[in-house]
Amino acid sequence: ETVLTQSPGTLSLSAGDRATLSCRASQSVNKNFVAWYRQKPGQTPRLLIYDASNRATGIPDRFSGSASGTDFTLTIARLEPEDSAVYYCQQYGNSPQWTFGQGTRVEIK
Amino acid sequence: QVVLVQSGAEVKRPGTSVKISCKPSGYRFTTHDIHWVRQVPGQGLEWVAIINPETGTTEYAQDVQGRVTVTSDTSAATVFLEVRRLRSDDTAVFYCARDRLPGYFDHWGQGTPVIVSS
Repeated sequence: ETVLTQSPGTLSLSAGDRATLSCRASQSVNKNFVAWYRQKPGQTPRLLIYDASNRATGIPDRFSGSASGTDFTLTIARLEPEDSAVYYCQQYGNSPQWTFGQGTRVEIK
Repeated sequence: QVVLVQSGAEVKRPGTSVKISCKPSGYRFTTHDIHWVRQVPGQGLEWVAIINPETGTTEYAQDVQGRVTVTSDTSAATVFLEVRRLRSDDTAVFYCARDRLPGYFDHWGQGTPVIVSS
């Protein structure tokens, strides 16, 4: 099973700041098949990024994803209050099991 | 638009079973696999199972194998998740999600809380 480790556990930033979230895989992920989801409090997860760097429909360009080896990064430029949420990475390249990271909580001060 | 509507919250006794449903709309039912994902209160997301609605082919996470069954009813365009021999640590919100090749989840249901309590 491919284990995804996200860091930091919690990120506390101000509106307008840049957030950098990390997701490290325990082994290489086939074709960098990693997605990022945002889950606001009490809500359903929402797809942000797929295939490591492609924005999902309706996601603003403040959100970007990148990959380097087994390290995957979600960057949120110019944080807005509505970005307060838990962010999860997920891999779907190493089948048959789909795995999620444990999540990073982003707090807007 | 694509919407996945799940059945309502369930409260069950330990040792019993629960069966919840997920009804997608806005696309042809048989063209996308459906996943089930579990979220224990205050914790992260955990993949549980996947089904091909057309063929009924399934895969399960190792730790639920033998206690969980996912089925599809193509005439009703609905997918079901059954969990047997419920334990208190099965208390969670279960989400269904549509698979988009090569395997990410592009649309999610609203979630079904399952509470297991004596």
